[in-house]
Amino acid sequence: GAGVSQTPSNKVTEKGKYVELRCDPISGHTALYWYRQSLGQGPEFLIYFQGTGAADDSGLPNDRFFAVRPEGSVSTLKIQRTERGDSAVYLCASSHMNRGLNGELFFGEGSRLTVL
Amino acid sequence: QKEVEQDPGPLSVPEGAIVSLNCTYSNSAFQYFMWYRQYSRKGPELLMYTYSSGNKEDGRFTAQVDKSSKYISLFIRDSQPSDSATYLCAMNGGSQGNLIFGKGTKLSVKP
Repeated sequence: GAGVSQTPSNKVTEKGKYVELRCDPISGHTALYWYRQSLGQGPEFLIYFQGTGAADDSGLPNDRFFAVRPEGSVSTLKIQRTERGDSAVYLCASSHMNRGLNGELFFGEGSRLTVL
Repeated sequence: QKEVEQDPGPLSVPEGAIVSLNCTYSNSAFQYFMWYRQYSRKGPELLMYTYSSGNKEDGRFTAQVDKSSKYISLFIRDSQPSDSATYLCAMNGGSQGNLIFGKGTKLSVKP
């Protein structure tokens, strides 16, 4: 597809469970970003990858959150021991190198996580 | 005080009206200013970005940045029902992709 693809679109889990969210960026985009959007709020930055490496992970809220991008394309956001407060829409975005400075990010439709 | 403040609305206008959306911010290091549009249950899409102060126009949309007042605006002329969405302002102080978003203003344009 032409856009950023995120799976699953919806995930319901129980408190304490482990969750993986997947992002497939636009082909050729070297930069990939994860954001989290809670109800009624704007997106909140989590982590940014340039290629395979995490260039900025300052937004990850705690060590239960981890993200990887082993081959510089698909990325997985992993959440351990989920808590009810983790419920949100997790947005993935991608861009050409250095286009993140001026906000030229292309977002996916998000993965809606609900922790019961 | 949050770094970026945006009135969440909701804002309801008749078709054809001029819409004014705005944000204030506190961090003078912000240099890039963006406006995103987000339809319900979709990801945000970039409408416009501006570097530093000034105006930028794109069709029916005009973005303004006043760094001295730490105030940015988005104007929509001849608003259409298809403009009904949440509009998010965002800013960047120089870190690639680490954007600071406002809460978003929900706009409804009535036919």
